[in-house]
Amino acid sequence: AQSVTQLGSHVSVSEGALVLLRCNYSSSVPPYLFWYVQYPNQGLQLLLKYTSAATLVKGINGFEAEFKKSETSFHLTKPSAHMSDAAEYFCAVSEGYGQNFVFGPGTRLSVLP
Amino acid sequence: DTGVSQDPRHKITKRGQNVTFRCDPISEHNRLYWYRQTLGQGPEFLTYFQNEAQLEKSRLLSDRFSAERPKGSFSTLEIQRTEQGDSAMYLCASSFNSGGETDTQYFGPGTRLTVL
Repeated sequence: AQSVTQLGSHVSVSEGALVLLRCNYSSSVPPYLFWYVQYPNQGLQLLLKYTSAATLVKGINGFEAEFKKSETSFHLTKPSAHMSDAAEYFCAVSEGYGQNFVFGPGTRLSVLP
Repeated sequence: DTGVSQDPRHKITKRGQNVTFRCDPISEHNRLYWYRQTLGQGPEFLTYFQNEAQLEKSRLLSDRFSAERPKGSFSTLEIQRTEQGDSAMYLCASSFNSGGETDTQYFGPGTRLTVL
């Protein structure tokens, strides 16, 4: 069965600094990988997804993630943090058609002025 | 496209009462999912439907939980004899899958349940 770990339950960065949120997965087959963002009292919004095409995936709001099979990782990055990026970020893995998402525990991102 | 909607947004109930939540998916989405999210955790899968058929249920879905999607459109999730441990955010998501690669799930705002 697939699983996801997210290193760091809480990450703080200064406004304008690099954002790096870590995600490692376990899957018995080539996975599909997703990053979602959740603002307080709201549902999850899709940031980006990896579906076996390009290993570097660009998403909304300037975020991108790189799939590294050798490291079983799918870390999320953004070159310059903005105050509006403060939220909870979830990495999720799916093993394909007919399979459900397994979410990581989430990383709360704080952006300091 | 109005997005996935859920009703109510908040529900406070007393232990032992029954509650029912509704989810309206994005129109034309053939798949509908229910998740439960507790504070500080990621969403946990409960069950999903392909059209009106319930195809999978998690072990988390005890006998007190039942979900339906009678016409393949909206869905309801009922919890009978609620317990304090049922307090959580209940999320609904929908997607369109034509049999190809994995589908992207679009989430609703959730229903926050508090059991006193």
